[in-house]
Amino acid sequence: KNEVEQSPQNLTAQEGEFITINCSYSVGISALHWLQQHPGGGIVSLFMLSSGKKKHGRLIATINIQEKHSSLHITASHPRDSAVYICAVGGSNYQLIWGAGTKLIIKP
Amino acid sequence: GAGVSQSPRYKVAKRGQDVALRCDPISGHVSLFWYQQALGQGPEFLTYFQNEAQLDKSGLPSDRFFAERPEGSVSTLKIQRTQQEDSAVYLCASSPRDGSGGRSSYNEQFFGPGTRLTVL
Repeated sequence: KNEVEQSPQNLTAQEGEFITINCSYSVGISALHWLQQHPGGGIVSLFMLSSGKKKHGRLIATINIQEKHSSLHITASHPRDSAVYICAVGGSNYQLIWGAGTKLIIKP
Repeated sequence: GAGVSQSPRYKVAKRGQDVALRCDPISGHVSLFWYQQALGQGPEFLTYFQNEAQLDKSGLPSDRFFAERPEGSVSTLKIQRTQQEDSAVYLCASSPRDGSGGRSSYNEQFFGPGTRLTVL
């Protein structure tokens, strides 16, 4: 079993839909990261959180430490949100443990 | 610029060629990381620098891979005698922290755009 599991692996939705991507982890963490990767390879850090909830524009990230679970939500989704969304957790050292990513496609 | 930059963005090499990939971290960042991301996979850790010291190179897949950060800022990842299995996106990240704070240390990493290496 992977230490970081994301679901779904692939998600296709219509423009305007509310999107939820889930991340569950089995290790102790100091922080959880949500990152976005567009075709071409570059990674952009969206959120780093260790408790509660963070919001940036149409993106919301929540984490429940007791349940070892985090969600990334996108409100009013748009085709430009199409990307791979990756969950990664930071443990007791500098190394990140990566999820396999969720490929999101938003159709106009 | 204010972010992490990498060059080249794309590199095509013939099998057996040597390549050098460059990473310019955010100015003042102590930690620098290299990752390898194969197509359809998540990034895999390669190596970690704290300033100029390479503290962890456990992820380097073979002795053909070599990384350096001689002055504690710019880093170069060199791959000798490239093989087709080296084809991947190579990501660099930097962090203002030194990673030694344990569980209380938020190890936020800032990523560069990556270098896509294709070995023919």
